[in-house]
Amino acid sequence: DSGVTQTPKHLITATGQRVTLRCSPRSGDLSVYWYQQSLDQGLQFLIQYYNGEERAKGNILERFSAQQFPDLHSELNLSSLELGDSALYFCASSGGWGAAPFTDTQYFGPGTRLTVL
Amino acid sequence: QKEVEQDPGPLSVPEGAIVSLNCTYSNSAFQYFMWYRQYSRKGPELLMYTYSSGNKEDGRFTAQVDKSSKYISLFIRDSQPSDSATYLCAMTTTSGTYKYIFGTGTRLKVLA
Repeated sequence: DSGVTQTPKHLITATGQRVTLRCSPRSGDLSVYWYQQSLDQGLQFLIQYYNGEERAKGNILERFSAQQFPDLHSELNLSSLELGDSALYFCASSGGWGAAPFTDTQYFGPGTRLTVL
Repeated sequence: QKEVEQDPGPLSVPEGAIVSLNCTYSNSAFQYFMWYRQYSRKGPELLMYTYSSGNKEDGRFTAQVDKSSKYISLFIRDSQPSDSATYLCAMTTTSGTYKYIFGTGTRLKVLA
């Protein structure tokens, strides 16, 4: 158990809908990262927050948005869902920033499996 | 062409073998190179990272970076069945617009 929790575990929804994925980082971790993993695209970094502020942005679509709240939990909002958004969404947390971006040891949650029908 | 290329495998080896996993990349701005291990139905875990060119060793694992060839490798010595997993390379830039790109992963199976 990494100490990172993600809810829900599974989510099934229809095209055009909007969903919110939630992540609680390990106690004391200030950084939260979001990833999307699909069979055709592999693992893709979406976005990172550090202590409430956006730190780095990856291949996050404009239909997706995220935020980190004062209690450090984070939410990833996916809207106008398409079939291609079906994937496993991981949240990870780390203590800080590391020697360089992304080199800090990240602890991954169990993921939320999103199915868009 | 993808910025990071990784042979998807699967790669099957007998227990005790030396395993070589590789990635190539095209963006010379990448400076940090990481290797992750992902067990089935789990999130990835960082094995090690290397800065620029050179080698780094951690137990049975050795990471090598050859920036001149844009080629990175992970060697696993004395492979064990518990090493059976998908191994992903990743790399990041350190200035300007941050890029953090993963390879597609290589599935490794170590046979007892």
